[in-house]
Amino acid sequence: DQQVKQNSPSLSVQEGRISILNCDYTNSMFDYFLWYKKYPAEGPTFLISISSIKDKNEDGRFTVFLNKSAKHLSLHIVPSQPGDSAVYFCAAPGHGGSQGNLIFGKGTKLSVKP
Amino acid sequence: DVKVTQSSRYLVKRTGEKVFLECVQDMDHENMFWYRQDPGLGLRLIYFSYDVKMKEKGDIPEGYSVSREKKERFSLILESASTNQTSMYLCASSRGTFGYTFGSGTRLTVV
Repeated sequence: DQQVKQNSPSLSVQEGRISILNCDYTNSMFDYFLWYKKYPAEGPTFLISISSIKDKNEDGRFTVFLNKSAKHLSLHIVPSQPGDSAVYFCAAPGHGGSQGNLIFGKGTKLSVKP
Repeated sequence: DVKVTQSSRYLVKRTGEKVFLECVQDMDHENMFWYRQDPGLGLRLIYFSYDVKMKEKGDIPEGYSVSREKKERFSLILESASTNQTSMYLCASSRGTFGYTFGSGTRLTVV
């Protein structure tokens, strides 16, 4: 059973426009969410996170929104740049605490066209 | 600059071979993880370890084993490689769940 779901395998956006990547989760006990970005032939890198006590967290061009009642979060990238083209993974701590592992969604491949 | 280093970027092995994938971190992290990434399946956890000589099965441990004899090193072992183990393997370390650092990955092809 997938606890973290990214239902869009791919997204194509024009440079300068907004990219919106979506993520749904099933476990209401999740209290923290993270987004990772992955370029081909590289490991994922941390992008932005949000605690469940917040509904928004912003870092430059990247903003994550959390809707706990809908068990939904989204990553907004404004304005999108060609260098943002990558696979984006949504993740949540699987067991909580310091010994937990992250549960990842399947990822969304973003293509930003010049 | 903190690092997670995976010993090989690309590996080609034959079916039935025993394969060792090595991962070393220099951040004194307690937790280390092995994931594999496959198209359409995302990142799936194979094994993780939260202390030396400790290991826990992830979601897809079948066909794999691990070894953590030292804090900084976490090895993934494919006992008898099969073609369905062709994949990108990613090692990560953390002090908690909020500070994952990934290595660059090993692209393993089993022929």
